[in-house]
Amino acid sequence: SQQGEEDPQALSIQEGENATMNCSYKTSINNLQWYRQNSGRGLVHLILIRSNEREKHSGRLRVTLDTSKKSSSLLITASRAADTASYFCATDAQRYSTLTFGKGTMLLVSP
Amino acid sequence: ETGVTQTPRHLVMGMTNKKSLKCEQHLGHNAMYWYKQSAKKPLELMFVYSLEERVENNSVPSRFSPECPNSSHLFLHLHTLQPEDSALYLCASSQEWLADNEQFFGPGTRLTVL
Repeated sequence: SQQGEEDPQALSIQEGENATMNCSYKTSINNLQWYRQNSGRGLVHLILIRSNEREKHSGRLRVTLDTSKKSSSLLITASRAADTASYFCATDAQRYSTLTFGKGTMLLVSP
Repeated sequence: ETGVTQTPRHLVMGMTNKKSLKCEQHLGHNAMYWYKQSAKKPLELMFVYSLEERVENNSVPSRFSPECPNSSHLFLHLHTLQPEDSALYLCASSQEWLADNEQFFGPGTRLTVL
């Protein structure tokens, strides 16, 4: 299975600090996506990084991908209380395959 | 209304009941998905519809029956459920059934089976 595994399972930081979450997967992928989920709600797409990309930015988000290590990281800079949520990575291995999600990292940002 | 909507938002049912979950997307997408999210487990894909045809069925028990009457609507019919089926059921859509397409999720239906 190419299921993503996020690390850590939970992360607690203060506002203004940076938060880093990691995702590891088992088989080769075409793309990796990160999603955010506020408590008990639907997921929101954050960013997609393709297997031939190493780094991507979107606002305060920075995603890296290391296909040799089969891992990705999501960095949220200057975190805010509103960033409190669960963060999931999702991988795919084939063009028409559906996404496989990990268990997520729960991020708590305290004011 | 925009995005992906789901009704009801909360549902409590007995094991002998029959109920249906409804999902509607207002994005003009061609692919729709049902996911199950249980505590401490990864999001589980249940069904995928592309252009109203079921293209994936991930070994879901027959007590869950999907229906896609058109590209904007998706239903999940429930009957004789078990307590372990209690979970958050999420509907999603994407432009096409392609892995690099962003998926748009609804807010989910919180299902409790007594």
